[in-house]
Amino acid sequence: AQKITQTQPGMFVQEKEAVTLDCTYDTSDPSYGLFWYKQPSSGEMIFLIYQGSYDQQNATEGRYSLNFQKARKSANLVISASQLGDSAMYFCAMRGWSFQKLVFGTGTRLLVSP
Amino acid sequence: SQTIHQWPATLVQPVGSPLSLECTVEGTSNPNLYWYRQAAGRGLQLLFYSVGIGQISSEVPQNLSASRPQDRQFILSSKKLLLSDSGFYLCAWSQDAQAGNTIYFGEGSWLTVV
Repeated sequence: AQKITQTQPGMFVQEKEAVTLDCTYDTSDPSYGLFWYKQPSSGEMIFLIYQGSYDQQNATEGRYSLNFQKARKSANLVISASQLGDSAMYFCAMRGWSFQKLVFGTGTRLLVSP
Repeated sequence: SQTIHQWPATLVQPVGSPLSLECTVEGTSNPNLYWYRQAAGRGLQLLFYSVGIGQISSEVPQNLSASRPQDRQFILSSKKLLLSDSGFYLCAWSQDAQAGNTIYFGEGSWLTVV
């Protein structure tokens, strides 16, 4: 079975500062993909970044980077230079080779203050 | 480029009434299609997925059903809604089932059963 754990129900950060959102996972699949999504108050689920389990380097997409530590089974999202528009729910998710579905964590609500 | 749309965006339905949510993907062929539900303040739960026309897999027993009458059309239905069916429904697609392929979501549909 696959499981995603996000232990931070809420995080606060000041504008222009960096913030790390934690994500740990558990899977028996030897190969898998890890994803982060952003869900603003409108409800739409927006894809942010992807990390493959065999990727040698941590993924980066603009201000987003993924701190992937395979041995610790963690895939933390780092947002640099936070902006007010980053305030949203953030979900970590995983997809294994043997499963069709994307398994989600419970999410972290990020609030960016001026 | 590929796009996904679902409708209606919001609906309020009485208990016992039928439901039909529709989702369409453009710009790709033979996508994998998904229906997710998100209860208030919680993560996403996979309801159904489809790898082709007429092929539907159900993840959880429930009051809902899904159909895929065309390659890029996915419909979520119910004959008689329950109060517990209230929630945020998201349609999604991916190119195939490989772990590295991102799942992209539609705008979502807010359903309130009264």
